[in-house]
This record gives sequence, structure tokens and C-alpha cells, in this order.
Amino acid sequence: DTGVSQDPRHKITKRGQNVTFRCDPISEHNRLYWYRQTLGQGPEFLTYFQNEAQLEKSRLLSDRFSAERPKGSFSTLEIQRTEQGDSAMYLCASSLARDITEAFFGQGTRLTVV
Amino acid sequence: DAKTTQPTSMDCAEGRAANLPCNHSTISGNEYVYWYRQIHSQGPQYIIHGLKNNETNEMASLIITEDRKSSTLILPHATLRDTAVYYCIAAGFSGSRLTFGEGTQLTVNP
Repeated sequence: DTGVSQDPRHKITKRGQNVTFRCDPISEHNRLYWYRQTLGQGPEFLTYFQNEAQLEKSRLLSDRFSAERPKGSFSTLEIQRTEQGDSAMYLCASSLARDITEAFFGQGTRLTVV
Repeated sequence: DAKTTQPTSMDCAEGRAANLPCNHSTISGNEYVYWYRQIHSQGPQYIIHGLKNNETNEMASLIITEDRKSSTLILPHATLRDTAVYYCIAAGFSGSRLTFGEGTQLTVNP
């Protein structure tokens, strides 16, 4: 296992289309996080799962966004009816459910909405 | 999570120590100080964390003041590959979100 992998690495879509991103966490990690990062800013938290349960969602996660983690393994983040403001890097991270632990991030999916 | 304040940018000569400061004056007793860095076009990478005591690992040292209101990340011998944005984060136990600020852009010059 080489780390957190995200697919695709880059996605260009037309405004109004739906897109779906996939994240495969490190295999033994039961926590999975999604972040969004725009140019020049730090990553912003979107949501996180412990196993298959979605435990927290940011207010940034509008009703056009939905995330799932079936069976507590990989996760998908779907954006419906994309807008230009959705253009960003979408980062996935995973960690163990311990009090103090580090989060391992993937390389991200760069979304461009045209 | 407590707010952290970092300088926007810093420069360091290759081979010298890089000292990156962070203020977290409102940190609560159960919040740890985490440091991550992000090299261009990659996801953030964990560096180190601490609560009260100074910490050292193979990447860096973390010095936390006695009142815990500030800390300094030290890269003892900076290399060109250490050029990145460094984020200081005050957060509780794992599982809560990591709240990233804008970080410090460290540029290591040859």
C-alpha cells in the first residue's frame, strides 16, 4: 500500500455537469476526510467518515455535494450541477481512529469548471 | 480549534536552520500543535505534533513555549526540497477537523 490515492488527478467539466471523484485510503485507516483547496488558500474541511458513517459535514458542503463511503473502504465525492466556483483541488486524507495520529493526504483531484 | 497566526513568507539559505514561528495564543489545554507542509501540487504532509514538551523527529524539531501561546518549527539543515507552504494547526484529538490557515511559504535558496 503506497498511500492515499485519488482518481482522477485532473477533471475538466462544463458548468452544470455532474462529477464524481474517488478516494482510496490507506487500507487499515478507518477515518477518511475530504478537503477543498483553492489557489493561495489552505485546505478547507468538507466532511469526514469513520468507517462508513459520515460523522461531520462542513457548511461548505452544499446540497449539491454528496459523499459516501460504502463498506468503510473507498469514498466518493459527487458534485451535482457544477458551478465555476467549484473549481478547486479536492483532497482526500485518511487516518487511524486514535486520539493523536497523523492524517495522510492524497495528491488531490484538480477540478476545473468551464 | 484555536486560531493560529504565521508569517506569510520566509526565506532560508540552503544548509542553514529554518525557524518557522506560529502564534496560538488562544490554544486550549487539550489542543495539540500540529505542523504540516505542502509542496507545490502535492497534498499536505504531516511533520510533527506536540502538546507541552518539545518534540523532535527525523524531519524537524518543535519548540513550544511554556505558556503554550506560541511555537517554532525548526528544520535544522534546510534543503531545496524543503521549499513548501508550512501550516501550523491547533487541534484537539484526532477525528476532529484540521483547520488550515494560509501557512508560511518557506523558500530555501541555494
